[in-house]
Amino acid sequence: GEKVEQHQSTLSVREGDSAVINCTYTDTASSYFPWYKQEAGKSLHFVIDIRSNVDRKQSQRLTVLLDKKAKRFSLHITATQPEDSAIYFCAEGGMPNYNVLYFGSGTKLTVEP
Amino acid sequence: EAAVTQSPRNKVTVTGGNVTLSCRQTNSHNYMYWYRQDTGHGLRLIHYSYGAGNLQIGDVPDGYKATRTTQEDFFLLLELASPSQTSLYFCASSDNRAGLFFGHGTKLSVL
Repeated sequence: GEKVEQHQSTLSVREGDSAVINCTYTDTASSYFPWYKQEAGKSLHFVIDIRSNVDRKQSQRLTVLLDKKAKRFSLHITATQPEDSAIYFCAEGGMPNYNVLYFGSGTKLTVEP
Repeated sequence: EAAVTQSPRNKVTVTGGNVTLSCRQTNSHNYMYWYRQDTGHGLRLIHYSYGAGNLQIGDVPDGYKATRTTQEDFFLLLELASPSQTSLYFCASSDNRAGLFFGHGTKLSVL
């Protein structure tokens, strides 16, 4: 089965509202959980990550929460803006190479004016 | 900012054809990766390498070979292309600290 599952293929929110994208993983050895953003017609770029030694990490309007017991992590975007519209991919990795990543299937976020 | 350059940007070939996708990174990263992106599957890891001459197998290696000739250059080879290999291919590099840096992708169509 898939190492990481991303449960929403699409998500639509109104500008200014919050958006939450959820992922689950299967490997208890997973210890690194990054998120990547892909704008229409473009490549992916890194947005935020969290390691398993913490359960919350915030960067400006983005927050990642990690629930190791449930093997679940989520990306929270507050005060959404049209430029947040993109496909967001969660991923997981672990030792020995944090960057051998396995990606979810992506969530297309649309922020409507 | 890490620079990862892929070529070609677009490629069309026929079933059974021979295709080489090229990737060059100019930031002295040790790790390089090839992913394919397909709707409903996200990105799937084909091969990766942690240095010149090294090759590691990813999740979907069947039908693909790869070669890391230098620290900068990583090639993906499809020796007998099939329609199932029609996809968007991304190369990425990393130094195992700061996330992956992706190229702009190569759109491959196998007719």
